[in-house]
Amino acid sequence: EPEVTQTPSHQVTQMGQEVILRCVPISNHLYFYWYRQILGQKVEFLVSFYNNEISEKSEIFDDQFSVERPDGSNFTLKIRSTKLEDSAMYFCASTLLDSPLHFGNGTRLTVT
Amino acid sequence: GESVGLHLPTLSVQEGDNSIINCAYSNSASDYFIWYKQESGKGPQFIIDIRSNMDKRQGQRVTVLLNKTVKHLSLQIAATQPGDSAVYFCAENWGSGYSTLTFGKGTMLLVSP
Repeated sequence: EPEVTQTPSHQVTQMGQEVILRCVPISNHLYFYWYRQILGQKVEFLVSFYNNEISEKSEIFDDQFSVERPDGSNFTLKIRSTKLEDSAMYFCASTLLDSPLHFGNGTRLTVT
Repeated sequence: GESVGLHLPTLSVQEGDNSIINCAYSNSASDYFIWYKQESGKGPQFIIDIRSNMDKRQGQRVTVLLNKTVKHLSLQIAATQPGDSAVYFCAENWGSGYSTLTFGKGTMLLVSP
């Protein structure tokens, strides 16, 4: 069964550094998403991406965040200057229209 | 604001029992609901979904019930197995697309052999 794959599984970075989280969505999917989950809290929506542009973003997704689909397979989330409160699990998801989201196993981001 | 919440943070059952995980939602405009299972170290895994024009949907060993009158959603797992131990999230959606998927905090299901 096709899967959403995310790399790395764990990323440790210092406050103020830039990080790029990588995702390979399921190949025939058209809609791509990033969610995050702070330890012990709910899974929260960050951003959705369709047809090479952001279709929706949450209040969390401020100017420090950006997404990109640099080629036909990868979908990345960049955090320009990480803060301690950015520490969380970051989940990539993809879907076709009108089908449930398929999530990757996440990247655990630890900002020290 | 609108929210999705779970009544029980932890549910402990014996293997073979039936499990019921409950969820309350507050957005009456929500028209699509999903249950996800999350095992340790993994991402949310789709279990079953239901649209607001239905009140019951069955899958393999799982049933989702939707009561729009009281804004309540439940997941029933028949003959619970140790492999069912995980955190279960309900999520709701309204409008087009899935970007407005709002998750509850989750219920931990612990299945004892």
